[in-house]
Amino acid sequence: AQSVTQPDIHITVSEGASLELRCNYSYGATPYLFWYVQSPGQGLQLLLKYFSGDTLVQGIKGFEAEFKRSQSSFNLRKPSVHWSDAAEYFCAVNNYGQNFVFGPGTRLSVLP
Amino acid sequence: GAGVSQSPRYKVAKRGQDVALRCDPISGHVSLFWYQQALGQGPEFLTYFQNEAQLDKSGLPSDRFFAERPEGSVSTLKIQRTQQEDSAVYLCASSLQGALAGSSYEQYFGPGTRLTVT
Repeated sequence: AQSVTQPDIHITVSEGASLELRCNYSYGATPYLFWYVQSPGQGLQLLLKYFSGDTLVQGIKGFEAEFKRSQSSFNLRKPSVHWSDAAEYFCAVNNYGQNFVFGPGTRLSVLP
Repeated sequence: GAGVSQSPRYKVAKRGQDVALRCDPISGHVSLFWYQQALGQGPEFLTYFQNEAQLDKSGLPSDRFFAERPEGSVSTLKIQRTQQEDSAVYLCASSLQGALAGSSYEQYFGPGTRLTVT
């Protein structure tokens, strides 16, 4: 069965530090891959997505993610975190136009 | 343009009551999805419509859950005889293309309806 794992439930970083959030998926083929961010009381906002081609994708708010087929991973990175980045981050795979399968999420806290 | 909207934003129901949650997708979007997000967890798929056809309802947890999209635009998720375990945020998402159209499959999410069953 398809699954998405995000090994880190909660990460705390200092403002200005770099960030990497991990995501691994289990799927028969390379699915479409997404990262979403959810602030408290808000809906999900798309950060970036990967379908094919260049394995390093750029997103909004200075985020990027790298697809590694050999590791079935799609880790999210940001070189310098801002306090406003504190939120819940979800990795998701898309079954070629059907429903999303989401990971459990990683909560990011940012220290001043 | 307007995004996906959901109403009500908050709903408190007594155990055993029926509730109806509404989703207004982005105009022209073919696909519509419902997800359930329990506290501290990622969203989980409930059901999927392409226009008015419900193509997948494999995620609906019981026969108390029912969804419809009669005219291919607005959708309603109905929960009958609510139970405490139904307490969650219900997210609606819409997508421009259908499953076979070969597009980006990006889904746009509404703010959700937080359902609390007491």
